[in-house]
Amino acid sequence: DAGVTQSPTHLIKTRGQQVTLRCSPKSGHDTVSWYQQALGQGPQFIFQYYEEEERQRGNFPDRFSGHQFPNYSSELNVNALLLGDSALYLCASTQWGRSGFRGANVLTFGAGSRLTVL
Amino acid sequence: QQQVKQSPQSLIVQKGGISIINCAYENTAFDYFPWYQQFPGKGPALLIAIRPDVSEKKEGRFTISFNKSAKQFSLHIMDSQPGDSATYFCAASMGPGNQFYFGTGTSLTVIP
Repeated sequence: DAGVTQSPTHLIKTRGQQVTLRCSPKSGHDTVSWYQQALGQGPQFIFQYYEEEERQRGNFPDRFSGHQFPNYSSELNVNALLLGDSALYLCASTQWGRSGFRGANVLTFGAGSRLTVL
Repeated sequence: QQQVKQSPQSLIVQKGGISIINCAYENTAFDYFPWYQQFPGKGPALLIAIRPDVSEKKEGRFTISFNKSAKQFSLHIMDSQPGDSATYFCAASMGPGNQFYFGTGTSLTVIP
């Protein structure tokens, strides 16, 4: 049973560029959340997608956008990259629709995509 | 504003000793408090979690102690092993499926 898979694992961009990160949730999970983890810090919530819609959003600017596809996979897009966007971007999936509340608090994280902005 | 405050930032423990990591929160609406373990190059993995209607939860060598009145909770790792060396994050959320607020992490090193 594959867990959460993310791609790419590492990437380097320059300021002003755009980046797209991808996530496939754990089998059976239908909800995807994205977190940003700066070096030496805890993960910070960016947004969550369920049924192809953004369900919740953290305190991140509109440069951060996302998408969820019918197969529950998701993309995180960041435009106009800043040096401060350098971080590990984590995708986490949960099961919401099928089990209601029961599975919704159990987050399964991927290994992350390490973004370096130069 | 940090919703969940975690201490210490780093911790060194001898093999067989007890590791204790503390967290504090302000928002009384939080109703779920998990601990995550993260190894280098990996994503965080759920270790153990507690809800505020109980004061303690134990799973193997890992115990969460929860003090609702003080708005504090802690992770105790008994008989610490070198394989426990990792970064530990406490977290909190309010309501099912809602965002998690993470602490800043504790880097634990268990010396053989």
